[in-house]
Amino acid sequence: ETGVTQSPTHLIKTRGQQVTLRCSSQSGHNTVSWYQQALGQGPQFIFQYYREEENGRGNFPPRFSGLQFPNYSSELNVNALELDDSALYLCASSLKYGELFFGEGSRLTVL
Amino acid sequence: ELKVEQNPLFLSMQEGKNYTIYCNYSTTSDRLYWYRQDPGKSLESLFVLLSNGAVKQEGRLMASLDTKARLSTLHITAAVHDLSATYFCAVDIEGRYSGGGADGLTFGKGTHLIIQP
Repeated sequence: ETGVTQSPTHLIKTRGQQVTLRCSSQSGHNTVSWYQQALGQGPQFIFQYYREEENGRGNFPPRFSGLQFPNYSSELNVNALELDDSALYLCASSLKYGELFFGEGSRLTVL
Repeated sequence: ELKVEQNPLFLSMQEGKNYTIYCNYSTTSDRLYWYRQDPGKSLESLFVLLSNGAVKQEGRLMASLDTKARLSTLHITAAVHDLSATYFCAVDIEGRYSGGGADGLTFGKGTHLIIQP
């Protein structure tokens, strides 16, 4: 049984650019949640996808968007990058309403 | 707005000592989660506490939940160096799900624990 995998593990972008982060959910899981963890802080909920639709959203602007595919994998897209977007982005898969299983994260640096 | 507060935020202790990390939250949720995070790594689930009075133990760690006081504790007994990490508590605002609810989890800022030999 494969766990949650994320790519890329590290990336560097400049202000104003766009980034796409990817997540493959654990086998059998149909729900993907994304979290942003700034340095020295706890993770913050960005949004959740279930059956290819956004199912819930935290306090993040519309330039944070996502997709979920029929195989339940997911993408997080961030447009018009700002310096404050530098963070570890964590993906977690679960069954709907079930326990979260986190991936290793994608560390984004915005210069 | 749900607030989750941990204290202390930083703790340095010696091996063999006991200590407690506290997690206060501002909602009536009866579900609370503890995670461990090593530097540069992801979150590892430690405990899921699902009701008032719940107590769970794993090795030198024990977690408890008092929903009336809106307080959870993570107690470390006879600490060892391998327990050095950052520990987060998190609350499910909906209070009904196991973390995968549509509002996600609200995390505390974390307790950075260093255990010195």
